[in-house]
Amino acid sequence: GENVEQHPSTLSVQEGDSAVIKCTYSDSASNYFPWYKQELGKGPQLIIDIRSNVGEKKDQRIAVTLNKTAKHFSLHITETQPEDSAVYFCAATLDYKLSFGAGTTVTVRA
Amino acid sequence: SAVISQKPSRDICQRGTSLTIQCQVDSQVTMMFWYRQQPGQSLTLIATANQGSEATYESGFVIDKFPISRPNLTFSTLTVSNMSPEDSSIYLCSVGGYGATQETQYFGPGTRLLVL
Repeated sequence: GENVEQHPSTLSVQEGDSAVIKCTYSDSASNYFPWYKQELGKGPQLIIDIRSNVGEKKDQRIAVTLNKTAKHFSLHITETQPEDSAVYFCAATLDYKLSFGAGTTVTVRA
Repeated sequence: SAVISQKPSRDICQRGTSLTIQCQVDSQVTMMFWYRQQPGQSLTLIATANQGSEATYESGFVIDKFPISRPNLTFSTLTVSNMSPEDSSIYLCSVGGYGATQETQYFGPGTRLLVL
């Protein structure tokens, strides 16, 4: 099956700085890569996604890049704000099934 | 995005008992899934709930322990049977095939289960 690795496990940034989370996947047949944000006591919320035929996608302060050859993808958050503090999960989709990374706990320091 | 509700939102249960979790979505969806999230961990897919047929279970999960029903395109239940403290987790349902996007999955708020 698909194996997704995610780094770092924790990330602390100063408000206004950027945050970058990196993931790798093992199965080259995976074709869809969503990112989820999970706040304490809530379910995961989809924040951005990218398909295998696209190299980069941006939505306001959030961007995702995908390198199919290297089988890795990254989440970039610019101008971080305290409300960006949460656990972020990357995932890879194969046959409509999601395989998740281990998660990154992001803390934005005021 | 889909509006998904789960009942109960949380529960405390005694070992050896069973709990049934309900998942309701606001529109018909092609796919429904059940995940487990152990404390401080990532999400693991338990099974795909198939409408009108038996659920498809992932490795390590069996029907006797996690029976699943899906009577229609907007509703599913997951039962955690003969519970032990190791079953203490967050159980999440998700839906796929909502609207025009087939791969995207949206998650419910989760059911937080503590087994004593």
